[in-house]
Amino acid sequence: DTAVSQTPKYLVTQMGNDKSIKCEQNLGHDTMYWYKQDSKKFLKIMFSYNNKELIINETVPNRFSPKSPDKAHLNLHINSLELGDSAVYFCASSQGLAATDTQYFGPGTRLTVL
Amino acid sequence: AQSVTQPDIHITVSEGASLELRCNYSYGATPYLFWYVQSPGQGLQLLLKYFSGDTLVQGIKGFEAEFKRSQSSFNLRKPSVHWSDAAEYFCAVPSGGQNFVFGPGTRLSVLP
Repeated sequence: DTAVSQTPKYLVTQMGNDKSIKCEQNLGHDTMYWYKQDSKKFLKIMFSYNNKELIINETVPNRFSPKSPDKAHLNLHINSLELGDSAVYFCASSQGLAATDTQYFGPGTRLTVL
Repeated sequence: AQSVTQPDIHITVSEGASLELRCNYSYGATPYLFWYVQSPGQGLQLLLKYFSGDTLVQGIKGFEAEFKRSQSSFNLRKPSVHWSDAAEYFCAVPSGGQNFVFGPGTRLSVLP
């Protein structure tokens, strides 16, 4: 009964490839997020979706494209992978958009680009 | 823009010792403040949060934090650390709704 799950947990790929990371939450939340954590543990938001609508889109290369087929899923597709994309990517969800809503995080996907 | 600093990159304490992790924020009004913990290989888990009212907030796993407006601080404390507390700790403040700004993190090591 995992609250926020991500697949795969590890992803190793070559430069130039296209890959996707999937995220699902079973909390009934309306809002979902993608974060990137770099090698220095710095955590930065990339996107957020509320009821399948894009709310936050930080300065992220357009090679990154989130897709939300329904409220429970937010997938991240990355085109033409680069070395600098290597990081841990976290999915999260919250009940809504209020600053007081707690965010629940998935276990992360460690992406390594060779 | 809101910002969060955590002055200590790495702290080592002995098991059973007390702990204080520092967090300072830059924010115009009274902020909402959060502490998250990231155990090795895991996602982030909320420890506690402050919105208003009592400036001393209790969280899970025996942690507490105190909001001090005069010092722009929200330090995390625990009276007696357990080996399982070894993890990375992040202070965070929302910057417009749910757009969170996280501090750089403090890595806690616990000696047996």
